[in-house]
Amino acid sequence: SQKIEQNSEALNIQEGKTATLTCNYTNYSPAYLQWYRQDPGRGPVFLLLIRENEKEKRKERLKVTFDTTLKQSLFHITASQPADSATYLCALDSGSSNTGKLIFGQGTTLQVKP
Amino acid sequence: DAGVTQSPTHLIKTRGQQVTLRCSPISGHKSVSWYQQVLGQGPQFIFQYYEKEERGRGNFPDRFSARQFPNYSSELNVNALLLGDSALYLCASSSPSGGEETQYFGPGTRLLVL
Repeated sequence: SQKIEQNSEALNIQEGKTATLTCNYTNYSPAYLQWYRQDPGRGPVFLLLIRENEKEKRKERLKVTFDTTLKQSLFHITASQPADSATYLCALDSGSSNTGKLIFGQGTTLQVKP
Repeated sequence: DAGVTQSPTHLIKTRGQQVTLRCSPISGHKSVSWYQQVLGQGPQFIFQYYEKEERGRGNFPDRFSARQFPNYSSELNVNALLLGDSALYLCASSSPSGGEETQYFGPGTRLLVL
């Protein structure tokens, strides 16, 4: 069955360090992968989208890689700040054309300590 | 421009009751999707509507239904509520093309079933 896995344990890092979050998937051939940020009690907020033919995507302090051979995406936040503390979700398209159905991982909670 | 709005923000119901949740998409967006998010998990896809037609349905029982109105707003109905229906219900709208890609989430409706 289709499965998406993210680090289930919270990630605690010191301010200024680089945070790296992992998203692994099985039994999928997604056309793209997205990363969202979610703060407690709020809806997810879109951060980055990377397509299957792209290896890497950057936006300010964020970087996403997508390895379709390993079936893995890595999400990096450089020079992390306490304000980056949140839950980060990866999401894949379902593989069905034009359904808009996203399959989400369970999320990884990041805590950046000052 | 206003983002996705949802109402109500919180709701308490008892088992067996029925509930209706409402969503207004971003202006110009014709596609609305509904997700259920249980505490500690990622959002799980329930429905997508585009141009008032159901485009996708997740693995939810028939107690869950939805519809989209001519102004592209949407309602999610849940009948015969169970304790396990307690969750954050998220609505997301997407681009005018109704295709996949970025979804913009509302703040959610927190439903508690007693």
